[in-house]
Parts: sequence; structure tokens; C-alpha cells
Amino acid sequence: EVQLLESGGGLVRPGGSLRLSCAASGFTFDSFAMSWVRQAPGKGLEWVSTITDSGGRTYYADSVKGRFTISRDNSKNTLYLQMNSLRAEDTAVYFCAKLLGDSGYYSIGHWGQGALVTVSS
Amino acid sequence: AIQMTQSPSSLSASVGDRVTITCRASQGIRDDLGWYQQKPGKAPKLLIYAASTLQSGVPSRFSGSGSGTDFTLTISSLQPEDFATYYCLQDYDFPFTFGQGTKLENK
Repeated sequence: EVQLLESGGGLVRPGGSLRLSCAASGFTFDSFAMSWVRQAPGKGLEWVSTITDSGGRTYYADSVKGRFTISRDNSKNTLYLQMNSLRAEDTAVYFCAKLLGDSGYYSIGHWGQGALVTVSS
Repeated sequence: AIQMTQSPSSLSASVGDRVTITCRASQGIRDDLGWYQQKPGKAPKLLIYAASTLQSGVPSRFSGSGSGTDFTLTISSLQPEDFATYYCLQDYDFPFTFGQGTKLENK
């Protein structure tokens, strides 16, 4: 069974940094692209970033480009999202997600339960 | 970026009804579209990928169709557990983009 467990969420001040982690199990982690998707309170879903199976290619939403960095450690079956220069509008539940394939151009197949990030002074 | 226009934004229906939700892409995306169901406080769940392929374990009352710019999610006979919010997602090109969502409510 695919399991994705996010950690690292919390309250951070504007301009601060936070790193989210996603521990994956139940599948061959290094064979699948992974993504982060967020959902602001009461709002819809917003794709944030995707990384290919090897980590060789990364993609970002314009709203986070230059501030967020997606990475993965295939030896630890773990996905990361480093978030810098955080803004109030980054407040959201952040979902870790497994794609259906390796290259990134696939639907999201499985989702974690989410980690809440609150940016507030 | 490709814009996904989803309609309606909300829908009232009854158990047993046939329900249709649509998504329109601002440019052709082949069949690179998925449909997701989300219940309050929960993670989304994949229902359909590649526009019309039913994800394993999803009831057959859910179906998807379309290609190019126009896509449809159909629930053939609404069940009590189907009241939720539904989203489409294009995975044709980055940035991936979601539709705005359709909240399906009990009439």
C-alpha cells in the first residue's frame, strides 16, 4: 500500500523558512516522479512543484519559483520542499503526491494527508 | 500557462441522479487530464486519469470522456458517499493547472 507521510509543517513568520519532508513507502520510490500540491484555507488545489524520478528535472509554479526548492533522497525514500522567503499567501495545507510515472508528465496517483504551513507574524 | 475552466462551480443533486461536470482547457491537451474527488479535511483521491481510464478501486459509476480541450466527468447514479468537491488537473504541460472545483451537494 502506498503511504506518504508529510512532516515539518508549522507556524513561521513572514520572510522565514521551513522545510517539509515526505516519507514514502509501499512502492519503488526511485521509479516515480513526485510533486507538492497546496491548498489555502477554503480554496482550491494549486500545483506547486514536481521532480522526476532521478531528481534530474524539477518544475515550479511561478508563484514559488526562486523561493521554493524541491528535492529528493532516493536512498531514504524521502521527498523535500525547502521553502524560503515565506509570505502570508503561502499559508496552506501542503500535500505530498506520487505521480503515476517517472518523467513528470503523469497524473497524480496518490496523496499524503497534508502538512499545514501557517505564515503569520 | 494552460487555463482549466471547470463548470459548474456548485451543483445540487439527489441520490440516484446522473451528474456531469465539465472542464475546458485553454489549449489542446490531448487526453492528459485527471479527475479528483476531495472530501472535507481529507486529501484528494484520483478517480480518472488519461481522461477516461478508471483508477483501480474506483466504482464503475464514475466515467470520464473527452480529448483536446473539452472533458467530462460523469457519475451515472449518485451515491451518498459521492457528495464532495471534484477537480480536474491537466498534466500535459508545466505548470500543471487545476480547475476551480465543483462542489456537489445534496439537494
